Amino acid sequence: DTAVSQTPKYLVTQMGNDKSIKCEQNLGHDTMYWYKQDSKKFLKIMFSYNNKELIINETVPNRFSPKSPDKAHLNLHINSLELGDSAVYFCASSPPWGGGTDTQYFGPGTRLTVL
Amino acid sequence: QKEVEQDPGPLSVPEGAIVSLNCTYSNSAFQYFMWYRQYSRKGPELLMYTYSSGNKEDGRFTAQVDKSSKYISLFIRDSQPSDSATYLCAMSLTGANSKLTFGKGITLSVRP
Repeated sequence: DTAVSQTPKYLVTQMGNDKSIKCEQNLGHDTMYWYKQDSKKFLKIMFSYNNKELIINETVPNRFSPKSPDKAHLNLHINSLELGDSAVYFCASSPPWGGGTDTQYFGPGTRLTVL
Repeated sequence: QKEVEQDPGPLSVPEGAIVSLNCTYSNSAFQYFMWYRQYSRKGPELLMYTYSSGNKEDGRFTAQVDKSSKYISLFIRDSQPSDSATYLCAMSLTGANSKLTFGKGITLSVRP
């Protein structure tokens, strides 16, 4: 039973294309996140949604647009892909925000390569 | 200066060695400190969690937090080849389920 799943696992595309990554969690969590991990393994938060509401929006180009149709799903759409967007994108989810000792649970990642 | 600095690595040790992994941070408001382990081509998973200063032990793993020095450590005793992974420190102002700021990660290889 997969807790946090992402599709696709691998994505290879040309510069300038638009692509989407989907994330689903079956943990009943309220909060979901998108992280980007670069080639040097640096993991940085991009967005966070709590019960379909955007609560974190880090300094991310507006070519990246997250969408949460319901609290179990958080998708990431990327317009006009650039070479520097090549990275592994992780989705994560957690119980309600703040003060908790429970952790964030990460998905397996989507490895995006822009040619 | 990055908010969280982590020894860059990679680190290679023989099986059975004691491993020490370290992070320093600049934001004294961080209260929650975590270590995540990430196997190759997998997502990070929580290994240790500590609130404020002190030590926490779980089996072969010990996490230490020294808030006065803004320094955290993870010790692995009797290291095993299965410990070979990337270890990421992470910190938060308000909880393990809040916005996490990660270190760059260090890749550990334990040689049989």
